Amino acid sequence: EVQLVESGGGLVQPGRSLRLSCAASGFSFSSYAMSWVRQAPGKGLEWVSVISASGVSTYYADSVKGRFTISRDNSKNTLFLQMNSLRAEDTAVYYCASGGYYSYFEYWGQGTLVTVSS
Amino acid sequence: DIQMTQSPSSLSASVGDRVTITCRASQSINTYLNWYQQKLGKAPKLLIYAASSLQSGVPSRFSGSGSGTDFTLTISSLQPEDFATYYCQQSDSIPDTFGQGTKLEIK
Repeated sequence: EVQLVESGGGLVQPGRSLRLSCAASGFSFSSYAMSWVRQAPGKGLEWVSVISASGVSTYYADSVKGRFTISRDNSKNTLFLQMNSLRAEDTAVYYCASGGYYSYFEYWGQGTLVTVSS
Repeated sequence: DIQMTQSPSSLSASVGDRVTITCRASQSINTYLNWYQQKLGKAPKLLIYAASSLQSGVPSRFSGSGSGTDFTLTISSLQPEDFATYYCQQSDSIPDTFGQGTKLEIK
């Protein structure tokens, strides 16, 4: 069974940092590009970032470029999102998903809520 | 960035109805168009990829069509479990972009 389990969300003050993790199992993690997609409360889906299967290539939405860093550890089947200089508008449920990088999002985690507020 | 526009934004329908949702891209995306279903409080679920390919395990009442800039998702006979929000997404170029969603409600 495929599982993607996010962790690391929570309440954080504006300007602070947070690191999200996504533990993958049940599929060949190292063969898939992986993405983060977020959803602000009551809003639609917004792609955030993607990393290639090897980890060599990364891309970011303009809204997070320079503040967020995506990475992966294929030896531990884990995806990360380092979020710095957080803003109120970053408040959202963050999903990790397999795919992106010119492909569809096949598998999704259950999401982790990040709330940026003082 | 490629803009994706869905219509309608919301739709009321009855069990057994045939429903069509439209998605339009701001430029040609060939058939790099995917559809997702999201129920309240849950993660999105892939329904259709590459415009018309049914994801494994998805009921055959769901179908997709289109190419270039205009695409449709059709549910041939609505079931109670189909009431949800539907999103299209283009994977032709980075950044990936989603439509704003279509909320399908019970009439």
